[in-house]
Amino acid sequence: QKEVEQNSGPLSVPEGAIASLNCTYSDRGSQSFFWYRQYSGKSPELIMFIYSNGDKEDGRFTAQLNKASQYVSLLIRDSQPSDSATYLCAVNPYGGSQGNLIFGKGTKLSVKP
Amino acid sequence: EPEVTQTPSHQVTQMGQEVILRCVPISNHLYFYWYRQILGQKVEFLVSFYNNEISEKSEIFDDQFSVERPDGSNFTLKIRSTKLEDSAMYFCAPNPGGPDTQYFGPGTRLTVL
Repeated sequence: QKEVEQNSGPLSVPEGAIASLNCTYSDRGSQSFFWYRQYSGKSPELIMFIYSNGDKEDGRFTAQLNKASQYVSLLIRDSQPSDSATYLCAVNPYGGSQGNLIFGKGTKLSVKP
Repeated sequence: EPEVTQTPSHQVTQMGQEVILRCVPISNHLYFYWYRQILGQKVEFLVSFYNNEISEKSEIFDDQFSVERPDGSNFTLKIRSTKLEDSAMYFCAPNPGGPDTQYFGPGTRLTVL
């Protein structure tokens, strides 16, 4: 069974702080990794994807991947109240033309003004 | 990010009835996915389309489910005889460039009474 695990939270951080969201996955052969943001009652919104070990930065967001530890994280710098949402980690354990994603249950982030 | 619309936004139906959920308009998308999310639970993969054929399907996608591309652009997901446990948000997710980087549509909320 291919699994993606996330701490459900809630994770509460003050405005302006760094929020750190973590995710582990079970399938060592997984090749691509995604972070989605989901506001209550809305669809998941793709924030970032990462394929290679290391860090990938996009604005206030940094994704970090460690394939040896089967661990992917998302850092949000200068957190804003508008960042309050559930963050979904998703993994493609299949590769090639089979792109269906395995999702974690999500971590609820609350940014306090 | 491709523009995706889904209709209806909310569908209420009686158990045992057939429902058709639509994803419109879609063009130039080789890969296409349907997911569902039961309230408070993970996003789950249902089925994928590649070149107008089912590519992969999950164990959730049983004989009660079917997908079509009736006019070359729209995608439909049909549930033949709905059950209470089919109540969920259903998302279509095309990706124009390849199997990864899937962008979710706004979703259809299905309520089975």
